[in-house]
Parts: sequence; structure tokens; C-alpha cells
Amino acid sequence: NAGVTQTPKFQVLKTGQSMTLQCAQDMNHEYMSWYRQDPGMGLRLIHYSVGAGITDQGEVPNGYNVSRSTTEDFPLRLLSAAPSQTSVYFCASSYSKYAFYGATFGSGTRLTVV
Amino acid sequence: KNEVEQSPQNLTAQEGEFITINCSYSVGISALHWLQQHPGGGIVSLFMLSSGKKKHGRLIATINIQEKHSSLHITASHPRDSAVYICAAHAYSGAGSYQLTFGKGTKLSVIP
Repeated sequence: NAGVTQTPKFQVLKTGQSMTLQCAQDMNHEYMSWYRQDPGMGLRLIHYSVGAGITDQGEVPNGYNVSRSTTEDFPLRLLSAAPSQTSVYFCASSYSKYAFYGATFGSGTRLTVV
Repeated sequence: KNEVEQSPQNLTAQEGEFITINCSYSVGISALHWLQQHPGGGIVSLFMLSSGKKKHGRLIATINIQEKHSSLHITASHPRDSAVYICAAHAYSGAGSYQLTFGKGTKLSVIP
């Protein structure tokens, strides 16, 4: 049972490049979400999904796209990377509508945009 | 928008001490979460509270809905409790939509 798998663990992008951060879970959880963590800012919710085909915006959605075509996968796309998107990104999944209740987090992706 | 404040920002304790971390929020919520982030970065969900008190091992979480305040207590602290503790206010608005606002975290260091 792998839990929540995030890839890659580290990534360096040039300004303007695009990329996809992958998040996959094998626990049949309905609820999945993406966060960024910045020094001095704490965690912030980017996008979330309450089930396949359903996504919604969190606090800081600009510059990011998501889709949820299957229960297992919830990729986060950076459309045109900017230095302000340098951050550590976490994905989480949960069986509860209350986001974190019983949630499992991925190990994080450290992204640097130069 | 909900404002979530944690105190203290940093806390150093001797092993065995009783620890209290506080979290205040500005508007009504559906639930309050406590998370633990280990020094290596991994995040673990500790508690979800909508009222009263919960206990898990040496960790106790309480919430006062009227005062919009929650506390996380650690009894008989141990160096392995050293981590960043984060509270998050969850406002569920129905039909699958919610707002989630985080505190900036409290860094706890427990010295042997």
C-alpha cells in the first residue's frame, strides 16, 4: 500500500516553462488537494477535488490548473512557471469531506523557478 | 476571509514538560485541524475538532467554539515531539465547497 505518491521530489524550471506535478493515491479516497508551503506564509490551499470530474479553487489558484479524470490521480499543472511559484508543494488525500480528517500527505515536491 | 493566528511561533522545552500551543481564528468554522510537520518535511494529520476535546496518547486537543480558540497540549514531552505544529480552520460551505486557512505554525524543540 503506497499511500500518496508525489513526483518528482525536486524540480528546477526556467521562467515560462510548463510542467505537471503528479499525485497518485491507492486508497480509493474521494477527496484530494494540493498545497504550497512558503517560508513565513505557511501552507496554502491551491486546488481541491471532492471526486472524479469535480475540482474547485482554493486560496491561491492563479497560475495552476488541475483535473481529476480518475479517483486515483490529481495532477497539478503549472502553465507558465514564474519565480513566485518557487515553493514546496504537497498533495493530500482523504476519505472525509473535512479535508484532513484521516488524510494522508505526499512527501512533497521542492520546485525552484529561475 | 478567516484569519488564523498561532502562538507561540517558537517554543523550546525541556523533556518531560507540559506543552501548550494556541490557535485562534476570526470567523465561524466547521472544523479545526491540527497537523504535525516533521523536521524532514513530512506532514501528519493529528486531530480534527468541531467541539470539545480529543486525546491521542500524550496529545490532547481542545476547542472553544464561542471564543474561537483551540489548544494543543503535549504531556510529558519528548525529543521526538520536536516538529512544527500547524492548525487549520475549515469552513465547509456545502455542495463540496470549503475554505481552508492555515496558521503559520509553531516550531517546537524538546531538549533532552
